[in-house]
Parts: sequence; C-alpha cells; structure tokens
Amino acid sequence: EAQVTQNPRYLITVTGKKLTVTCSQNMNHEYMSWYRQDPGLGLRQIYYSMNVEVTDKGDVPEGYKVSRKEKRNFPLILESPSPNQTSLYFCASSSSSGGGDGNTIYFGEGSWLTVV
Amino acid sequence: KQEVTQIPAALSVPEGENLVLNCSFTDSAIYNLQWFRQDPGKGLTSLLLIQSSQREQTSGRLNASLDKSSGRSTLYIAASQPGDSATYLCAVTTSGTYKYIFGTGTRLKVLA
Repeated sequence: EAQVTQNPRYLITVTGKKLTVTCSQNMNHEYMSWYRQDPGLGLRQIYYSMNVEVTDKGDVPEGYKVSRKEKRNFPLILESPSPNQTSLYFCASSSSSGGGDGNTIYFGEGSWLTVV
Repeated sequence: KQEVTQIPAALSVPEGENLVLNCSFTDSAIYNLQWFRQDPGKGLTSLLLIQSSQREQTSGRLNASLDKSSGRSTLYIAASQPGDSATYLCAVTTSGTYKYIFGTGTRLKVLA
C-alpha cells in the first residue's frame, strides 16, 4: 500500500528542546516536502526536496532544517523550537515524472506539535 | 507571487444537491492543479489532478475543470452525500518548480 508515514503523530515539547519529525515514503518518489497548516493561513510549504541531497526552501523555512540522505526519508528538524512553531505538520511526496497522475501528491496523516 | 483563493470559505447544502467549489489563482503559468479532500484532523487525499494542457478531469461524482487563461478551476460534486462533508483544497504548482501553493479551502457540510 502506498504510504507516507510520519512520526510522532502527537508531541508536546518545551521551548528550545531539539526535536525531529520523521517522514518516510514507500513509493520511490523523488519529490518530498514539508508543510505546516495553521488556522486562517492554510498550508504553507516549509522545505522541499527534489531528490537525494537536493533540498530547497519553501515559503516559511525559518527555524527548520531538513536533510535527504536517502530517497525514502525526509526528516524535519526543529533545532530550537519556539511556541510560534506550534502547528499541524504534513509530509508529502510525489513522483517527478510528468503526465498522467505522475504528479499526484501523497500526504502523511500529520503531526500535531505543541511547543510550550 | 502566486496566490490561490477559494470561495466560499464554508458551504452547507442538503443531501442530493449538485454543487460547485471555486478556486482561482493569480499566475496562469501553472504546471498542474490538484484538488484535495481533508477530513478533520487528517491528512489530505488527492481527488483530481489536472495537467496544464488539460481542461477537465472526472472521477466518479467529481468533475474538475481548469481555465488557465482566466486563472480558475471548479470542482463539481454531483448528488452530494453526507460522506462528502470535509474541507476541499486546491493547489497549484508553477512550471519549472515543485513549489505547491494551496488555497485555504472550502469547508463543506452536506446535511442528511
């Protein structure tokens, strides 16, 4: 079954304590990305990756880091979380091949993060 | 800068009605447009993907159209059911990039 798996799904942490949200996909997709979803602001892209070792900033990258050492994994790192990073986070992946449904985006179930 | 707008923000309809959700975008140089469904507290599920060269896509009771020149897409839901209640989002990506820009969604409630 095609899946994008995020962990943890729910997390409460304290300001400044480094955390990592993992993301893994089993579809051999080249493209992966991270979004945050906030009320009234919708989904905003944090970082994306075109392939292994290729990453780029989205619209709201401040306070986040990513890495893409393997094709299937794309972890999101919050080096020093702050309360304004409290949000619902989604990881997504898609194939880079054009045409047909090759660009269909598959989303994980989301990770609820609260920073106190 | 690409901006995506969805109107209305919320919609309640009685079961069985046909309905139209709207999505507009400011930059017509898109690579594709996708419609998604999001249930409360859940991830997004892709419903329909329209490539920039296409005019419409259909899946079951859903039909999405694309008019690039006017910067608009519509999602048509036929014979709505209570199970269609969810938030519907559209997203566009611009040619040459993989940056997806999302609208803020239309929250649909279908009343039994």
